[in-house]
Amino acid sequence: AQKITQTQPGMFVQEKEAVTLDCTYDTSDQSYGLFWYKQPSSGEMIFLIYQGSYDEQNATEGRYSLNFQKARKSANLVISASQLGDSAMYFCAMREMNTGFQKLVFGTGTRLLVSP
Amino acid sequence: SQTIHQWPATLVQPVGSPLSLECTVEGTSNPNLYWYRQAAGRGLQLLFYSVGIGQISSEVPQNLSASRPQDRQFILSSKKLLLSDSGFYLCAWSVLIGGSTDTQYFGPGTRLTVL
Repeated sequence: AQKITQTQPGMFVQEKEAVTLDCTYDTSDQSYGLFWYKQPSSGEMIFLIYQGSYDEQNATEGRYSLNFQKARKSANLVISASQLGDSAMYFCAMREMNTGFQKLVFGTGTRLLVSP
Repeated sequence: SQTIHQWPATLVQPVGSPLSLECTVEGTSNPNLYWYRQAAGRGLQLLFYSVGIGQISSEVPQNLSASRPQDRQFILSSKKLLLSDSGFYLCAWSVLIGGSTDTQYFGPGTRLTVL
């Protein structure tokens, strides 16, 4: 079974600094996808970034980048120039192939607090 | 553009009462639809998914059920709520286009408290 591990229950960062949120995964699939979602206090899950297992370059989306190290099975999220609005829960997820249906398996999340 | 709606936003129900949560998607056709539950301080657990009208798959045995009466409508129901049904319920949709990634987009959620 596939598994996602987020070992940091909470992280603190000062505004304008960069922060890395850790995510490791375990899978026997050769083809898989990794996602990061942001969940602010309102509860909505907001898609941030995606990395495919065959993508040779690390994914980037604005201030978000994904540090993908396939051999280490890690997919860390890097947020550059943190803003107060980045304070939220962040979830790493992996797409699991299940007879053609692409199921997402989520980690337990990391709470990020950005201070002024 | 696509939007996803859920209602109600919050709900307080007594144990043993019925439940109906609704999710609708606009701006897309034949989406995959999903119901997740998030317990307080936890990650998301997939409850049901649907790849088409009337096609429902259950991931976790429980006293909940799901139905998809229309292409873009997904309903989560229960005949008798349990205390353990309390949580945050999120609906999501995705569309697989040409073998590309099947990103799931989430609705605003329904916070259910069973007393």
